Amino acid sequence: ETGVTQSPTHLIKTRGQQVTLRCSSQSGHNTVSWYQQALGQGPQFIFQYYREEENGRGNFPPRFSGLQFPNYSSELNVNALELDDSALYLCASSKGGGEGEKLFFGSGTQLSVL
Amino acid sequence: SQELEQSPQSLIVQEGKNLTINCTSSKTLYGLYWYKQKYGEGLIFLMMLQKGGEEKSHEKITAKLDEKKQQSSLHITASQPSHAGIYLCGADNGGGSQGNLIFGKGTKLSVKP
Repeated sequence: ETGVTQSPTHLIKTRGQQVTLRCSSQSGHNTVSWYQQALGQGPQFIFQYYREEENGRGNFPPRFSGLQFPNYSSELNVNALELDDSALYLCASSKGGGEGEKLFFGSGTQLSVL
Repeated sequence: SQELEQSPQSLIVQEGKNLTINCTSSKTLYGLYWYKQKYGEGLIFLMMLQKGGEEKSHEKITAKLDEKKQQSSLHITASQPSHAGIYLCGADNGGGSQGNLIFGKGTKLSVKP
């Protein structure tokens, strides 16, 4: 186990609704990254938070937003859900700093949008 | 933008056989990561390679980055059912932020007892 926990594990929502996913990072890690993994695809980078501020964003619309708290846990919020948002959402924590450090992934939240 | 292509897409091998998975990048790789994923679960870190020609091994898994730093291979020796899963290669996207990796689509490995 990596020490990164995500909740909930599964979620079913209806198109147009809003959802909040949560992630607790591994002890000692101050950076959290969020990824979306559609079925049969590799994970796609959504954004990263470092010391409570957004520190890089992938090609995702503004309805994907996030927060990082003083204890370095994080939330991913998605507004106005679309069917294509159905995916496995992964968060990963790391110690922070530049490139070249490994990410520790949680087990993910499986989101289904009907 | 950088893309990672993995081959093969899927692989079925008999227990005890060796196998190789390849990962090819459209651009020079500055950090190449191999992860393993069980279906619908999180990613487990296997290895990270940064230098051209670098090779790392852990138990029966060996990963190598070629000299030109555009291709990596993952080799499993004497495969076991526990090796089954999806293998993903990832690379630093050069955006300066540590957690910004791009991934290939993965190689699904099945090991028949």
